[in-house]
Amino acid sequence: GAVVSQHPSRVICKSGTSVKIECRSLDFQATTMFWYRQFPKQSLMLMATSNEGSKATYEQGVEKDKFLINHASLTLSTLTVTSAHPEDSSFYICSGQAGGIGEQFFGPGTRLTVL
Amino acid sequence: DQQVKQNSPSLSVQEGRISILNCDYTNSMFDYFLWYKKYPAEGPTFLISISSIKDKNEDGRFTVFLNKSAKHLSLHIVPSQPGDSAVYFCAASPNTGNQFYFGTGTSLTVIP
Repeated sequence: GAVVSQHPSRVICKSGTSVKIECRSLDFQATTMFWYRQFPKQSLMLMATSNEGSKATYEQGVEKDKFLINHASLTLSTLTVTSAHPEDSSFYICSGQAGGIGEQFFGPGTRLTVL
Repeated sequence: DQQVKQNSPSLSVQEGRISILNCDYTNSMFDYFLWYKKYPAEGPTFLISISSIKDKNEDGRFTVFLNKSAKHLSLHIVPSQPGDSAVYFCAASPNTGNQFYFGTGTSLTVIP
């Protein structure tokens, strides 16, 4: 299957700082990229959907000013957690989808810990 | 509101036997369903999908069954292997669109 990478895989930061997570589709063009958050023993919760070159669509309850998403190219999307707080600590996973339909290919995830 | 539910958080099966993972959904608009497998600290990997025009899709040891009237789908793994031990998520989407709703996952352990 297609490969999606995420960087970094793990990050620890102080409260109040901002953290950027990169999501790259390595061997396909991801027309649409998704950002998910997973709490322990819970489902993947969709945070936002982004299409290349346009603004992201955020799910209800997700603060767009806190979780900044940029999808500047067909192979790269970034999620920036601004002014991170301990409650933002979580496992963040991105996925890419080619052609806006069907299967999503997931990245390996980024473990964010905010102290 | 959880639109996709996996009521069994865990399942243990002996190697060589059948594993059956179940998933229920509430939204009748869902018409495209997928199963993902996830290892700890990794992203999910796609296993198998089924659209609502079918009631069965088979890929090697993996078969997905869809019962639209009951809003239920299941994943059968035969024969189960120790390497199948992972968390399995089902996901559903309306109109084969790009928004998926995930279940909470079932942790499968295949005992050698």
